[in-house]
Amino acid sequence: AQSVTQLDSQVPVFEEAPVELRCNYSSSVSVYLFWYVQYPNQGLQLLLKYLSGSTLVKGINGFEAEFNKSQTSFHLRKPSVHISDTAEYFCAVSKGGYQKVTFGTGTKLQVIP
Amino acid sequence: DAGVIQSPRHEVTEMGQEVTLRCKPISGHDYLFWYRQTMMRGLELLIYFNNNVPIDDSGMPEDRFSAKMPNASFSTLKIQPSEPRDSAVYFCASSPSTGGSTDTQYFGPGTRLTVL
Repeated sequence: AQSVTQLDSQVPVFEEAPVELRCNYSSSVSVYLFWYVQYPNQGLQLLLKYLSGSTLVKGINGFEAEFNKSQTSFHLRKPSVHISDTAEYFCAVSKGGYQKVTFGTGTKLQVIP
Repeated sequence: DAGVIQSPRHEVTEMGQEVTLRCKPISGHDYLFWYRQTMMRGLELLIYFNNNVPIDDSGMPEDRFSAKMPNASFSTLKIQPSEPRDSAVYFCASSPSTGGSTDTQYFGPGTRLTVL
């Protein structure tokens, strides 16, 4: 079975500073990887996903993530954060094409003015 | 499309009462998922359906929980009897099995359940 580990439960960062949210996965088969964002009192929405091809994936709101197979990682990055990026971010993995997705425990990003 | 629709958005009930949560998936999506989110346990998959058929209900906590999907546009999650520990936000999500959005889950706004 596949799983994901989000190493940081909370990440405070100053506005306009860069940020990296870490995610490591484990799976014995090819996987799809996702990052979702949850704003307060809302459902999750997709930021970006990796299915195959280029290991650098660009998503919405200026976020990007890099798939690293040798390190089994899929870290999320943004070069300059805004107050509006304050939210909880979830890394997720699925066994390609099997629909069932396993979510990580989430990382709360707090952007400080 | 209106997105995934859930009702009610908030539900407050007393212990022992029956609770029914409702979900309308995005038209054309053939997968539907029910999740529960709490501070202590995070986001948990309860059950999911493919073409209205339950595929995996291993996440359903106990027999007090049941879910149905009588047609492609409607699903319910029922708790009977409810207990205070069921208090959580319950999300419904749907996804298509074909096309560029395969494996991407589209979440509803959630139902915040409080059991007193």
